[in-house]
Amino acid sequence: SSELTQDPAVSVALGQTVRITCQGDSLRRYYASWFQQKPGQAPILVVYGRNDRPSGIPDRFSGSRSGNTASLTISGAQAEDEADYFCHSRDSSGLQYVFGTGTQVTVL
Amino acid sequence: QVQLVQSGAEVKKPGASVKVSCKASGYTFTGSYIHWVRQAPGQGLEWMGSINPKSGGTNFAQKFQGKVTLTRDTSITTAYLELNSLTSDDTAMYFCAKESGDLILIDWGQGTLVSVSS
Repeated sequence: SSELTQDPAVSVALGQTVRITCQGDSLRRYYASWFQQKPGQAPILVVYGRNDRPSGIPDRFSGSRSGNTASLTISGAQAEDEADYFCHSRDSSGLQYVFGTGTQVTVL
Repeated sequence: QVQLVQSGAEVKKPGASVKVSCKASGYTFTGSYIHWVRQAPGQGLEWMGSINPKSGGTNFAQKFQGKVTLTRDTSITTAYLELNSLTSDDTAMYFCAKESGDLILIDWGQGTLVSVSS
């Protein structure tokens, strides 16, 4: 079982803001990265580190961390943001890596 | 541009082994770790392990220790994932990804589907 826990599913109205959370003890020491994955595709990194985005990722994606919780916020969600989102960080030992359980985001 | 091209789909019988390749191009192969991630049908992402192409050193999730072998051939800039003693639970899409920094996996292979069935 994953050491990083996410809500299974969230929905957001078009143009509104949604926050996806990821909980785990290791997040008190390590940042999380966030990946977007659409059916049949490889994951895409959308946020990493304190709050950085790879080239080409819209600035409506942002990340934050507080205590044992990392969050990905989509501000002004678009239809194309409908996807599964996974957090990714180190495990509690700090020696290996782990993905969160994943959150399915539906844009209404 | 960075490209990771994986080998094609595999169908294996229980108990067999499979070796998946990940051909890298567009960057210095020995300069970046390669990670392997798997995704069972309808399930989430699972980190399996990583290899340092320069030294050959590896790091595995506990679950995969003894199950997985990671190797590389620097002469052809290719990383390999070998899974042994396959069971139906190993049926999944397997991805390789290039590390650009800690927890930064920007470049991914297209995935290789491994199906295990008798």
